[in-house]
Amino acid sequence: EAGVTQFPSHSVIEKGQTVTLRCDPISGHDNLYWYRRVMGKEIKFLLHFVKESKQDESGMPNNRFLAERTGGTYSTLKVQPAELEDSGVYFCASSASGLAGHEQFFGPGTRLTVL
Amino acid sequence: SQKIEQNSEALNIQEGKTATLTCNYTNYSPAYLQWYRQDPGRGPVFLLLIRENEKEKRKERLKVTFDTTLKQSLFHITASQPADSATYLCALPDSSYKLIFGSGTRLLVRP
Repeated sequence: EAGVTQFPSHSVIEKGQTVTLRCDPISGHDNLYWYRRVMGKEIKFLLHFVKESKQDESGMPNNRFLAERTGGTYSTLKVQPAELEDSGVYFCASSASGLAGHEQFFGPGTRLTVL
Repeated sequence: SQKIEQNSEALNIQEGKTATLTCNYTNYSPAYLQWYRQDPGRGPVFLLLIRENEKEKRKERLKVTFDTTLKQSLFHITASQPADSATYLCALPDSSYKLIFGSGTRLLVRP
């Protein structure tokens, strides 16, 4: 069974450019999460989808970040325009519904560098 | 808001010994607590979940305790092996499924 996949694995962009990160969750998982780890800090929650609906987006830093999950399958996270402080590793995770949903399966992450 | 404290210093032990990692939280006691393992360049991998009404949980060489009075969880790896070297993360739910992570403790097991 395929795990959570993320694309690209690395992205280097200039300040002011746009970047779109993609996450493919485990098939059948209704819950999808985005997290971010900036240098030297802990992993922090960005948002949570249940199917195609945003359940909780309290961790999104500002309106330069836009997440979508059309059709309740894969998700994209767009940063526009990117700023230096957006650099970090962006993780996607998915989980099943109900009590089984407490275990979150993480992807390998996308390392974003904004120059 | 909830804060999690994990020892930021790396834990360096000899193969075969027991590794003990600590996770302290500051606010309300969560319904459950989780431990994850993270290797360089990879995402966290779920290891164990312990609920607030459970004092101890075991899985193979892993043991987790949860003391809601002390607001602390201990994570033990018995008979440690070099392959156990990694960063171990403690995580608590904030609301629903949203997780708050500690900064992690790096474990190095020497052969």
